Amino acid sequence: SAVISQKPSRDICQRGTSLTIQCQVDSQVTMMFWYRQQPGQSLTLIATANQGSEATYESGFVIDKFPISRPNLTFSTLTVSNMSPEDSSIYLCSVDEGTKAYNEQFFGPGTRLTVL
Amino acid sequence: GEDVEQSLFLSVREGDSSVINCTYTDSSSTYLYWYKQEPGAGLQLLTYIFSNMDMKQDQRLTVLLNKKDKHLSLRIADTQTGDSAIYFCAETPRNDYKLSFGAGTTVTVRA
Repeated sequence: SAVISQKPSRDICQRGTSLTIQCQVDSQVTMMFWYRQQPGQSLTLIATANQGSEATYESGFVIDKFPISRPNLTFSTLTVSNMSPEDSSIYLCSVDEGTKAYNEQFFGPGTRLTVL
Repeated sequence: GEDVEQSLFLSVREGDSSVINCTYTDSSSTYLYWYKQEPGAGLQLLTYIFSNMDMKQDQRLTVLLNKKDKHLSLRIADTQTGDSAIYFCAETPRNDYKLSFGAGTTVTVRA
């Protein structure tokens, strides 16, 4: 199974600044995703990170606020731009190796973001 | 998570069985999943069930699926302190790779 690391593991940021979160996988994977988990709530899919092209965003999420890069099959970044306290959340990267009939997603440990 | 609903909390005594329930609305769901999230960690896939099955057993875990009522449950036999975690129910609609998660059930195992 894929092993995923995320950096940073946590951060405290000031309102109006931006933070870039990195996701590194130990193998090449077909699909990479970014989720947000707000305090006490479920996971919400932000976007699918596409290698070599623009990410596919879910309803309610836009590229200007959450720019995503995926330069290769093992790495992706998510930037949270112009942050406000409402962006305080855990941000999770996940991958699907695409080798099974069912959707087995492996998740990174998450980045805990607090915006003051 | 609005399409997948779970109760939020469950407290169980060590050694007893835990049953976590989930309801979903998408009748086209092909697979349903249970994920576990331990404190400070990412989610880990515990088990899954294909929509044409009604039961799946994997060691201490039993998944029951009632497709007519769109109800999924996870039973953990002989619950241990290491089973304390948040358990998420999730579904995949047909021909889609996206996972739709419930809000998660926090299971607390007491001695």
